[in-house]
Amino acid sequence: GAGVSQSPRYKVAKRGQDVALRCDPISGHVSLFWYQQALGQGPEFLTYFQNEAQLDKSGLPSDRFFAERPEGSVSTLKIQRTQQEDSAVYLCASRPTGFNALGQETQYFGPGTRLLVL
Amino acid sequence: GENVEQHPSTLSVQEGDSAVIKCTYSDSASNYFPWYKQELGKRPQLIIDIRSNVGEKKDQRIAVTLNKTAKHFSLHITETQPEDSAVYFCAASIGNNDMRFGAGTRLTVKP
Repeated sequence: GAGVSQSPRYKVAKRGQDVALRCDPISGHVSLFWYQQALGQGPEFLTYFQNEAQLDKSGLPSDRFFAERPEGSVSTLKIQRTQQEDSAVYLCASRPTGFNALGQETQYFGPGTRLLVL
Repeated sequence: GENVEQHPSTLSVQEGDSAVIKCTYSDSASNYFPWYKQELGKRPQLIIDIRSNVGEKKDQRIAVTLNKTAKHFSLHITETQPEDSAVYFCAASIGNNDMRFGAGTRLTVKP
């Protein structure tokens, strides 16, 4: 079946612009995660949704970052007034369940959106 | 919160040799430990995982071991092949929503 998809795959923004990154999780997956991956680093947790509820946003680096998942499927990560330090790959992942049930813990990643802020 | 450290950051081996990557974690409540392989410009792909109730798991040339007491886990790749070249990430998951990744190991397998 279809995996996690993200769009756009690449985004170039001028400093100060707002951007919106989209994630389409695997159909029926309850949990959705956003990560930020800087060059040469591992993914860093940003935020987590269980269906439409944003249960954890502790990883969002500033109030310029906002995420939503209004209908419990597609999610959008919005970054306002982009800064150069926002340049990174933004990865979305989904998981079948809302909790780490045995055999259901795996997160499936999308291809990422590479954001470059000039 | 959880902190995951991964070593080495780079690893170069000859084709056919074994490769070992080690990770430590800080929170004893972590109960799920996946390993992801990421090729350049591509998404992280799960290659193997282990849960806290198991000490070792093997899948063909790949094995993972977990030492809960010492809070470390390792990835072992035997009979390495050039297509194993990639960046490998370990991760530790605690609870429902918090997966922390190591900084990655760039593995190069020389033909």
